[in-house]
Amino acid sequence: GESVGLHLPTLSVQEGDNSIINCAYSNSASDYFIWYKQESGKGPQFIIDIRSNMDKRQGQRVTVLLNKTVKHLSLQIAATQPGDSAVYFCAEIRVPNQFYFGTGTSLTVIP
Amino acid sequence: EAGVAQSPRYKIIEKRQSVAFWCNPISGHATLYWYQQILGQGPKLLIQFQNNGVVDDSQLPKDRFSAERLKGVDSTLKIQPAKLEDSAVYLCASSLDGPSVSPLHFGNGTRLTVT
Repeated sequence: GESVGLHLPTLSVQEGDNSIINCAYSNSASDYFIWYKQESGKGPQFIIDIRSNMDKRQGQRVTVLLNKTVKHLSLQIAATQPGDSAVYFCAEIRVPNQFYFGTGTSLTVIP
Repeated sequence: EAGVAQSPRYKIIEKRQSVAFWCNPISGHATLYWYQQILGQGPKLLIQFQNNGVVDDSQLPKDRFSAERLKGVDSTLKIQPAKLEDSAVYLCASSLDGPSVSPLHFGNGTRLTVT
């Protein structure tokens, strides 16, 4: 399943499928980006980060892709599990040293 | 490593009353942040401290909100008087260094309901 960031705030995927969550950022000067996962009643939890001198970074079951040309960031989750159900936020660092969060995408994993 | 601690977890007050939230960051983290998260939205920065100095408070409603970070460790955020629109989750976060260097680690927040 795939989302289109702010214009599609919900995403439902079957357990075991791959998920793609998209995020568009506005500031071309932003040079540090982080994906956070927020479960109900909890604070945002760090997933993975990427700096602007990279196009791709991989973690455990997650991959972040950065396309600076079109100012687009995506989070790919492999073999999505029920525990991945949460709201996912991308955050960008803007001058002068402020993190800004997007609205988020709600991911629901269907067993 | 212990996470960011916040208290209380929940608070219900009437409008025009005052309220205070407390935050204990991860040990050794120089930068501390307070965010406001309204239901269905992303967190919005209220204030950022570097050690015990304010780095950015441009989005803090200073007529009613105040924050301090004593001795560069714990922090308190106060609202006086509260308005209905202040109902939100107040998140505290800390980072080892500035936000361009290290990621923010969040506490579980204080859910404030103003009636």
